[in-house]
Amino acid sequence: DAGVIQSPRHEVTEMGQEVTLRCKPISGHNSLFWYRQTMMRGLELLIYFNNNVPIDDSGMPEDRFSAKMPNASFSTLKIQPSEPRDSAVYFCASSFERLYGYTFGSGTRLTVV
Amino acid sequence: SQKIEQNSEALNIQEGKTATLTCNYTNYSPAYLQWYRQDPGRGPVFLLLIRENEKEKRKERLKVTFDTTLKQSLFHITASQPADSATYLCALEKNSNSGYALNFGKGTSLLVTP
Repeated sequence: DAGVIQSPRHEVTEMGQEVTLRCKPISGHNSLFWYRQTMMRGLELLIYFNNNVPIDDSGMPEDRFSAKMPNASFSTLKIQPSEPRDSAVYFCASSFERLYGYTFGSGTRLTVV
Repeated sequence: SQKIEQNSEALNIQEGKTATLTCNYTNYSPAYLQWYRQDPGRGPVFLLLIRENEKEKRKERLKVTFDTTLKQSLFHITASQPADSATYLCALEKNSNSGYALNFGKGTSLLVTP
């Protein structure tokens, strides 16, 4: 398996533009997580899906952020409109059993100018 | 509010010595605690999970302890090597309503010098 695949690796966009981040979890993993990492705040959980259903989205900063998981092999995180304070590394992770932990993707580094 | 605290200061040790990293938490009642390693520019990598009733768990040169009375976990790397240099993150399950969604500490950076 190629692991958790995220795209793009880097994204630079202007304030006010829409940004879409993509994630392909490991086949067979039924849980998917989106995190945001900054130096100041560390890793923050944004949203958690189980069997494609959002279970906990309390970490989503505001209405500008939305996430979908239309099927077991694909998820998106959308920011519209983007703001400079959204600049961070966004990670997607998947898991099939807590005892084996999470497998993280390589992340998307987002810069909003 | 829930907090996971790890030493923000980098830990510098000499090759061959034992590195000990600390994770303290408040307002959690965890049944499990996890440790991850993160290298620059990469996503975290799962290392170990320890249950509340295990007290201690070992994997090769790694040893983790879990004291639910002290609300603390210690992470040890014995016979440390320069390749062990990385940031190490402690993680706890958020709450019972969120499945096993994890909250992470900010991590402690370890530098092992030859």
